[in-house]
Amino acid sequence: GAVVSQHPSWVICKSGTSVKIECRSLDFQATTMFWYRQFPKQSLMLMATSNEGSKATYEQGVEKDKFLINHASLTLSTLTVTSAHPEDSSFYICSAFAPGTGIGEQYFGPGTRLTVT
Amino acid sequence: SQQGEEDPQALSIQEGENATMNCSYKTSINNLQWYRQNSGRGLVHLILIRSNEREKHSGRLRVTLDTSKKSSSLLITASRAADTASYFCATGNQFYFGTGTSLTVIP
Repeated sequence: GAVVSQHPSWVICKSGTSVKIECRSLDFQATTMFWYRQFPKQSLMLMATSNEGSKATYEQGVEKDKFLINHASLTLSTLTVTSAHPEDSSFYICSAFAPGTGIGEQYFGPGTRLTVT
Repeated sequence: SQQGEEDPQALSIQEGENATMNCSYKTSINNLQWYRQNSGRGLVHLILIRSNEREKHSGRLRVTLDTSKKSSSLLITASRAADTASYFCATGNQFYFGTGTSLTVIP
């Protein structure tokens, strides 16, 4: 089946620094990828839709200047958390549509745990 | 919002028993999917049911969909300790997730 990877799997950074998280579709091309965040014991919340070659579409309440999304190729989307603060500590998960399914099945990455100290 | 909502929020059962969790959503859908998430891990796709399907099976999983009530149920039969996880339903192309059901299977 389709595989989506994320890198890094976990990262610890200091407050005020920026962190980049990569999401790759390993064996298929994904024109659309999604970014989610999840706080402990809570559901996933869609942050933004990342479209290859165009600007990401952010969900209401998500700061686009803080969470920079770049979908530069059909297999890579990146999420950069700029000027990170402790409240940005969360589990970030990306997903991508696998082509050919036609029915909207998504494949999820393993997630990246971000801890901001 | 197309967000799904699962209930119960938490469920604890003995190994071997069946576990049933429900999901309700707000708007019309093309399909609904169930996912499992082990603590601190990424999501694992379990099963997809299309809007024109009423029931679907996959191994020990049985999913039903009632579009008139905008609800779905996930039944796990003969539960195992390894089934301990959070279960989410998701709808819509962008996948708005519900709050999840935390299932604990006691050996």
